[in-house]
Amino acid sequence: EADIYQTPRYLVIGTGKKITLECSQTMGHDKMYWYQQDPGMELHLIHYSYGVNSTEKGDLSSESTVSRIRTEHFPLTLESARPSHTSQYLCASTRTGGNEQYFGPGTRLTVT
Amino acid sequence: AQSVAQPEDQVNVAEGNPLTVKCTYSVSGNPYLFWYVQYPNRGLQFLLKYITGDNLVKGSYGFEAEFNKSQTSFHLKKPSALVSDSALYFCAVRGFTDKLIFGTGTRLQVFP
Repeated sequence: EADIYQTPRYLVIGTGKKITLECSQTMGHDKMYWYQQDPGMELHLIHYSYGVNSTEKGDLSSESTVSRIRTEHFPLTLESARPSHTSQYLCASTRTGGNEQYFGPGTRLTVT
Repeated sequence: AQSVAQPEDQVNVAEGNPLTVKCTYSVSGNPYLFWYVQYPNRGLQFLLKYITGDNLVKGSYGFEAEFNKSQTSFHLKKPSALVSDSALYFCAVRGFTDKLIFGTGTRLQVFP
């Protein structure tokens, strides 16, 4: 079992609220990723980071932003949540030179 | 463009019978291929990978996958299915960077 954590696991908020989804890993991995997944559907990469102070947008356009101030921490922020942001958000990490990604348990976000 | 296809939305199999979940890929150069499993309300768990070497790769929980270069396939197999194997299975290929490109997923249902 990989040591990668996400909080909260479930979140229900109203439209217009600012939220931050937390992701932390204790494996010292340099590379971290955020995916968006509608229930039972495919994953879409929305952000990734190759190390501290490195962030890039993924293949799916997202209104969220990310930061990477510490190796172990990769939070995702939505400044103003909308119902279209309702989805599951999965965080993952991999070590430099590694191949497989290790995933956290996910945050299921519902915006009402 | 690099891509992966999972042609079956759902696979149904009786407990004790062998199972196969299909995956085909399109990639330039040598493929790095992965299988992940997702249980309800959970993140993805790594099952196995093919990087190089033997075409038959063994992974977690008794699963294995066969890499077939001529058919550009990487089908997931298990000789004897368990009810607890029921889950969503994702095939993935590593792209030009180390980003993973996921298939649309196949829901495996194992009946007692």
